[in-house]
Amino acid sequence: DTAVSQTPKYLVTQMGNDKSIKCEQNLGHDTMYWYKQDSKKFLKIMFSYNNKELIINETVPNRFSPKSPDKAHLNLHINSLELGDSAVYFCASSQEGRGWWQFFGPGTRLTVL
Amino acid sequence: DAKTTQPPSMDCAEGRAANLPCNHSTISGNEYVYWYRQIHSQGPQYIIHGLKNNETNEMASLIITEDRKSSTLILPHATLRDTAVYYCIVRVDYGQNFVFGPGTRLSVLP
Repeated sequence: DTAVSQTPKYLVTQMGNDKSIKCEQNLGHDTMYWYKQDSKKFLKIMFSYNNKELIINETVPNRFSPKSPDKAHLNLHINSLELGDSAVYFCASSQEGRGWWQFFGPGTRLTVL
Repeated sequence: DAKTTQPPSMDCAEGRAANLPCNHSTISGNEYVYWYRQIHSQGPQYIIHGLKNNETNEMASLIITEDRKSSTLILPHATLRDTAVYYCIVRVDYGQNFVFGPGTRLSVLP
């Protein structure tokens, strides 16, 4: 019955590698998001997708590429990983409209060595 | 940047009401006030939201001042499991992402 799920939960990798994080929501929402929470615990929006179209793309390096195969999935692919990419990444979804809120996934802790 | 101001930390005795304040003096007429919390390193959890009127659900109550420049989240009977960082966010009803500030770290003490 998980509303927003992410895999993997933990990801440890070497600098320079390419990795992906998957996100799925079973709520029928039309908008999905990726957030990054760094070591200082600030949550920052990275991307927003509405019906498979990119809506928000904050100042994120182009090594990060979101991919949305369908409304229920938004994956995050990261090329040439750097030490500074170490963080917890959260996926979220919502149904856009008046007063709707976002449901967050459990997070993926990425550690780049 | 976040458009809200919250105290960095608060303590509350278990079983007592926890009242968490939030200032949003520049809020515009179409912006809602949302509250989320994050327990340890889990994903943020939605608590409640409102536009003008006070709201109550099974988790909490939200009191919004008449001028809408501030609000208070009330956890009526705090438990140890309510220890978390609480975020107050203002957002228009669509078309904007949620901007999370540093929040208030609530510690519920036995």
